[in-house]
Amino acid sequence: VLTQSPGTLSLSPGERATLSCRASQSVSSSYLAWYQQKPGQAPRLLIYGASSRATGIPDRFSGSGSGTDFTLTISRLEPEDFAVYYCQHYGSSKVTFGQGTRLEVK
Amino acid sequence: QVQLVQSGAEVKKPGASVKVSCKASEYTFTNYYLHWVRQAPGQGLEWMGIINPSGGSASYAQKFQGRVTMTRDTSTSTVYMELSSLRSEDTAVYYCAGGYSYPSAFDIWGQGTMVTVSS
Repeated sequence: VLTQSPGTLSLSPGERATLSCRASQSVSSSYLAWYQQKPGQAPRLLIYGASSRATGIPDRFSGSGSGTDFTLTISRLEPEDFAVYYCQHYGSSKVTFGQGTRLEVK
Repeated sequence: QVQLVQSGAEVKKPGASVKVSCKASEYTFTNYYLHWVRQAPGQGLEWMGIINPSGGSASYAQKFQGRVTMTRDTSTSTVYMELSSLRSEDTAVYYCAGGYSYPSAFDIWGQGTMVTVSS
């Protein structure tokens, strides 16, 4: 089970965002991903392998962590970054998603 | 070109079945593993299962075992997800998504198919 926190994060453009994803048991960081989803759109892959940015993802997005604790950091929020973010573990025969963190404009 | 194009919205009655298609480019069909993920209105993402389009083997989330079937048609580079015994809780957007290898994060997504279950 992946638990994301906070459920909702209220910040202003230009601020730094820190999103957390905690696993109920240790998972390989090789198989931890982060996605961004905007209303009415499919999710978009941001980070895979806990810290590798997907193609075309700006460097203000970074991922870190290992074991049971993982973090997605957005260094300076742009207006287009306000969305819902999901973490995912894909390393076993079962794929699991966190419940999501909504990043909203303060 | 790497892309996934899904079939259109469906409205079904409780107890019926629905079959959603996901057409891949030839490159995607040959090189990607494809998954099905659903999202109920206002809710999070839920993984349903995976199919290897090349070989046809599929594996399903325990929650959907016995109710879901994933198949593929190599002649049209299309994968299908059929869900039976529909109930209102199955109302959701259904996405196909793919990763280049296994296991892999999902770097390509279809546009989603809305399935509404209502009497």
